[in-house]
Amino acid sequence: AQSVTQLGSHVSVSEGALVLLRCNYSSSVPPYLFWYVQYPNQGLQLLLKYTSAATLVKGINGFEAEFKKSETSFHLTKPSAHMSDAAEYFCAVGAGNTPLVFGKGTRLSVIA
Amino acid sequence: DAGVIQSPRHEVTEMGQEVTLRCKPISGHNSLFWYRQTMMRGLELLIYFNNNVPIDDSGMPEDRFSAKMPNASFSTLKIQPSEPRDSAVYFCASRQDSHSGNTIYFGEGSWLTVV
Repeated sequence: AQSVTQLGSHVSVSEGALVLLRCNYSSSVPPYLFWYVQYPNQGLQLLLKYTSAATLVKGINGFEAEFKKSETSFHLTKPSAHMSDAAEYFCAVGAGNTPLVFGKGTRLSVIA
Repeated sequence: DAGVIQSPRHEVTEMGQEVTLRCKPISGHNSLFWYRQTMMRGLELLIYFNNNVPIDDSGMPEDRFSAKMPNASFSTLKIQPSEPRDSAVYFCASRQDSHSGNTIYFGEGSWLTVV
């Protein structure tokens, strides 16, 4: 069985500040890990994914995440927040061709 | 390329009525997923199909919910009879399973309100 825990249902940062959204996973097999973003009234869009290649993964809009097996973590970061980054972010875990299991999401607010 | 297409985008219905949500996956994708999103429970997998065959429907809440995939380009999720607690956003998603770790692509969702 797989599971994902996203620490913090709501994170607020100032524009230009570092964004850090935390994700820890549990998986009995080597996982694939994903971050998706959801803007208001829209579906989920892929930000980035880890599929057993490089542990530091770069995605769209300046986001990146690092897979740390020892910590079972896949935290999402961005050096400088922009107003347009305000959205809901979901971490997800999968293995093989199974469906993804999603965390409960973290709502990111960016303050001007 | 067209993404995953869902209809209707918004539906308001009265308790007891039948609701049918529709989905057209991305052409060439062989797995299809129905997820439900609520504030309380987040994103829950309801059912998924592979090559039009239901693989796991353990997430379907109760017998009032049913899903079909008659061909590779169409799926429905039906709720009969609907109840106010079914109010949620229902997402359809699809994936090409040529190899492991492929991306799941989501539709824009069907926003259901049962009054």
